Amino acid sequence: QVQLQESGPGLVKSAETLSLTCTVSGSSINSAYFWGWIRQPPGKGLEWIGSIHQSENTYYNPSLKSRVAISVDTSKNLFSLKLSSVTAADTAVYYCAREVGVGLEKYFDYWGQGSLVSVSS
Amino acid sequence: SYELTQPPSVSVSPGQTARITCSGDALPKKYAYWYQQKSGQAPVLVIHEDSKRPSGIPERFSGASSGTLATLTISGAQVDDEADYYCYSTDSSDNRVFGGGTKLTVL
Repeated sequence: QVQLQESGPGLVKSAETLSLTCTVSGSSINSAYFWGWIRQPPGKGLEWIGSIHQSENTYYNPSLKSRVAISVDTSKNLFSLKLSSVTAADTAVYYCAREVGVGLEKYFDYWGQGSLVSVSS
Repeated sequence: SYELTQPPSVSVSPGQTARITCSGDALPKKYAYWYQQKSGQAPVLVIHEDSKRPSGIPERFSGASSGTLATLTISGAQVDDEADYYCYSTDSSDNRVFGGGTKLTVL
């Protein structure tokens, strides 16, 4: 059974860096899958942040690219998100998810339960 | 940037058929996917590759795509189907894109 679990601080100060980790069980990071981060501001829709492959190929949302870094740790079977220079607009529930490839396309099949991160001034 | 457009809300009575649409210029060449998100929960995949149902998803959920329009159909909608539904696809640069979401009310 594939499970993903987000962890990290629930409160980050404005202008600082948000850091989250996603620990994966039941599926190997060191595989053909991609691994992604998605966020959802309170009362709003889903926004893709970025994705990574164990080969360290990364894809980032162009609107966030200058502030985002995603990395993998295959020895611990986890991947991580860093979002720098946060503002109140970055307050959201952050989800990690596994991505399945279909030809050149990818979609998310398993999701974590989500982690609420609030940005304080 | 690429956008997927959904109606903000759809309302049906129990037992009726609910249809939620998703419009996107790249859909003729890209698959559409659908996620169900109940209040306070993570999204769940209900349709992949336009029309395929994952294991465990009831048969009343179906999907279709024609031209620039993808449609999620819930035949005989139940109160338990009340949720937000998001379409999803990718663009020509491999960016992952979600629609704005549709709130389905069944009452």
